[in-house]
Amino acid sequence: DVQLVQSGAEVKKPGESLKISCKGSGYKFSKYWIAWVRQMPGKGLEWMGSIYPGDSETIYSPPFQGQVTLSADKSINIAYLQYNSLTASDTAIYYCARSMLQEIVSPLDHWGQGTLVTVSS
Amino acid sequence: QSVLTQPPSVSEAPGQRVTISCAGSSSNIGASFDVHWYQQLPGTPPKLLIYGNNNRPSGVPDRFSGSKSGSSASLAITGLQAEDEADYYCQSYDSSLSFSKVFGTGTKVTVL
Repeated sequence: DVQLVQSGAEVKKPGESLKISCKGSGYKFSKYWIAWVRQMPGKGLEWMGSIYPGDSETIYSPPFQGQVTLSADKSINIAYLQYNSLTASDTAIYYCARSMLQEIVSPLDHWGQGTLVTVSS
Repeated sequence: QSVLTQPPSVSEAPGQRVTISCAGSSSNIGASFDVHWYQQLPGTPPKLLIYGNNNRPSGVPDRFSGSKSGSSASLAITGLQAEDEADYYCQSYDSSLSFSKVFGTGTKVTVL
């Protein structure tokens, strides 16, 4: 079975950095795009960007370009989302999700359980 | 700021039918990009409900159906059940945003 397992909840202070992970299993990790989706408290879904683990090609949503870094290590089937300097407005649940097809224009058919990130002084 | 607009909420009695609209524009749904729908039960990750406008993944009941016309799409739920109470999101792509994935604003379905 396809599974995406994310790292655990994080509590950070403003200005700190963050790196959360998403480990894929049950499929050829390098062949499917991984998307990252933010959900702020009580709000809707926002696509942040996607990465193709095979060659680490990335596409960022314009609001998140320059704010976050996506990376992947296909040797251990893990994708990462990184913030260099957090602010309180980065408090959210972050989901990773796999593209159903081996292309960027594809629905997201498997989702991680989500990682809650709380940024507070 | 989402470019796909959904009604904030809809409610109906069990057994009835509800429809959720997803209004886009000529740079997304109207540009012939597919529309997908996700269901998010409270406290859980989203789940793919409809893909490619009107296709159901394995395991999704046929009470759920999708359609698309012009720059809009709709999700219909017939025979509404208590377990359908959730948030629903449409998703497409936008050519004015470097073909970014875009989500709708989300609709809360309440079963009365």
